[in-house]
Amino acid sequence: NAGVMQNPRHLVRRRGQEARLRCSPMKGHSHVYWYRQLPEEGLKFMVYLQKENIIDESGMPKERFSAEFPKEGPSILRIQQVVRGDSAAYFCASSLAQGATNEQFFGPGTRLTVL
Amino acid sequence: DAKTTQPNSMESNEEEPVHLPCNHSTISGTDYIHWYRQLPSQGPEYVIHGLTSNVNNRMASLAIAEDRKSSTLILHRATLRDAAVYYCILRDLTGTASKLTFGTGTRLQVTL
Repeated sequence: NAGVMQNPRHLVRRRGQEARLRCSPMKGHSHVYWYRQLPEEGLKFMVYLQKENIIDESGMPKERFSAEFPKEGPSILRIQQVVRGDSAAYFCASSLAQGATNEQFFGPGTRLTVL
Repeated sequence: DAKTTQPNSMESNEEEPVHLPCNHSTISGTDYIHWYRQLPSQGPEYVIHGLTSNVNNRMASLAIAEDRKSSTLILHRATLRDAAVYYCILRDLTGTASKLTFGTGTRLQVTL
């Protein structure tokens, strides 16, 4: 049973380019979460999606960032016009259901470097 | 969200038990206590969770104080592979938010 998969594992972009990060949740999981970890900092929640719907985007920067989780295919975190401050590790997690007793399973992360 | 407080770092010898404390004095009656850990260069992984009673699983034990204002994650025999940052997180059973709110955690060093 494959775990949460993220690709690419490493992504290098120049300032102004677009970055697309992909996340395939565990089989049977319809709840996906994105977190960001800036260098030497803790993990911060960005967005929570449940198949085709954004449930909570309270941690998402208002500009340049968007997320989707289509009916078919992986969840995508898209960063337009990247800046150096976007360099971070981006982790995706999935869960079977919503709520406080449901474990979140994390992927290995995508490490984004903006030159 | 109720806040947790953990020591920044702890050290342990291999094969010894480790007790990682967490204070959550403002915990509400519907908050579950969760522990996750993050090994170097990896994503976080779930360790254990509980509400009121002590809990055991194959990875660790969770001891919860009677007043629930603190808890302790117990690793019975630390190995080098347990070196990680350990996060104590409160999750409200009644809330609709499903996000995990990570603090700074405790960095555990395990030495031979």
